[in-house]
Amino acid sequence: SAVISQKPSRDICQRGTSLTIQCQVDSQVTMMFWYRQQPGQSLTLIATANQGSEATYESGFVIDKFPISRPNLTFSTLTVSNLSPEDSSIYLCSAIRDRSSYEQYFGPGTRLTVT
Amino acid sequence: KNEVEQSPQNLTAQEGEFITINCSYSVGISALHWLQQHPGGGIVSLFMLSSGKKKHGRLIATINIQEKHSSLHITASHPRDSAVYICAVSFLYSGGGADGLTFGKGTHLIIQP
Repeated sequence: SAVISQKPSRDICQRGTSLTIQCQVDSQVTMMFWYRQQPGQSLTLIATANQGSEATYESGFVIDKFPISRPNLTFSTLTVSNLSPEDSSIYLCSAIRDRSSYEQYFGPGTRLTVT
Repeated sequence: KNEVEQSPQNLTAQEGEFITINCSYSVGISALHWLQQHPGGGIVSLFMLSSGKKKHGRLIATINIQEKHSSLHITASHPRDSAVYICAVSFLYSGGGADGLTFGKGTHLIIQP
């Protein structure tokens, strides 16, 4: 298995600012994913973060709003830029060790509130 | 459109009852996950299935690939089982291999003492 930690666990930010969320895995993983869960909604995939290449974004999510870094095989960051109240959500990081295994490991999530 | 449907959306039961949560999906998948989310937001992976049945303690998960349906059962339910249970799938892509998950909306389960 893999243990994933996220920082911060929660934050309250002002409109117009940005928040960077860190995701750390205790072992090397092949792929990392970032998800968003808006209040009362299901989790939605934002992007796939691969080491050594740019992130792949899902429809409705753009790099300017959600820049992602993946500098190595154990770490990724998601920045939520130019915050608005609509960005208030739980942001979740997950990872898979081996693309053929399908087993995903999940971080504890970051609860963001934008005022 | 690749969709994941869960039912019921909300479920309240008495301690000790047998609980069933259902999940159906629209197209072929490579794997189905059952997840548990507590009020703080953290997610725990309960099961990953690609066929058949798995059991862990009081939890049982089954999947029928032909019918595109899965169920999560909880035997001898307890108030500590109260949480949101989420079904998520990896849809088959032409390139093969694992990708990001598509999630159901979750089932809010409350077990009363």
